[in-house]
Amino acid sequence: DSGVTQTPKHLITATGQRVTLRCSPRSGDLSVYWYQQSLDQGLQFLIQYYNGEERAKGNILERFSAQQFPDLHSELNLSSLELGDSALYFCASSVATGWEETQYFGPGTRLLVL
Amino acid sequence: DQQVKQNSPSLSVQEGRISILNCDYTNSMFDYFLWYKKYPAEGPTFLISISSIKDKNEDGRFTVFLNKSAKHLSLHIVPSQPGDSAVYFCAASALVNTGNQFYFGTGTSLTVIP
Repeated sequence: DSGVTQTPKHLITATGQRVTLRCSPRSGDLSVYWYQQSLDQGLQFLIQYYNGEERAKGNILERFSAQQFPDLHSELNLSSLELGDSALYFCASSVATGWEETQYFGPGTRLLVL
Repeated sequence: DQQVKQNSPSLSVQEGRISILNCDYTNSMFDYFLWYKKYPAEGPTFLISISSIKDKNEDGRFTVFLNKSAKHLSLHIVPSQPGDSAVYFCAASALVNTGNQFYFGTGTSLTVIP
């Protein structure tokens, strides 16, 4: 158990809908990362937050957004969902951001768009 | 553009022998490298890391080697055990502006045969 929690574990929805994925980092961790893993793909970095502020952006679609709240939990919002958005979404946390940073991953949310 | 590549999708090894997993990268700005292990239906678990100022790091049965001139790293598992059967991801990071960018390979599925 990494100490990172993600809810829900599974999510089934229809095209055009909007969903929210939630992540609680390990106690004391200030940095949260979101990743997408599609079938047979590596983890694609989406976005990073550090202590409530956006720090880095990867290949995140404009239909997707995220935020980190004062209690440090984070939410990833996916809207106007398409079939291709079906994937595993992982959240990872770390104590800080910088040199030799190690991330700890949650169990993931499996999203299926029908 | 895949900046971190794991060219072997799968590897089978006999129990007790050495497992060698390989990873290549293209970006010379990467300064920290990590290996993660992933079981089905779980998030990636941090295994071992190495910074760019070192060429070897050991932790029990796991050793990571870094060859910066060849932009290559490898993970050695000795001796291999059936419980090591999992998907292994290598990752590389570089500090970009205010945050770290992490790039993951597509993974190598290791099967250790009893």
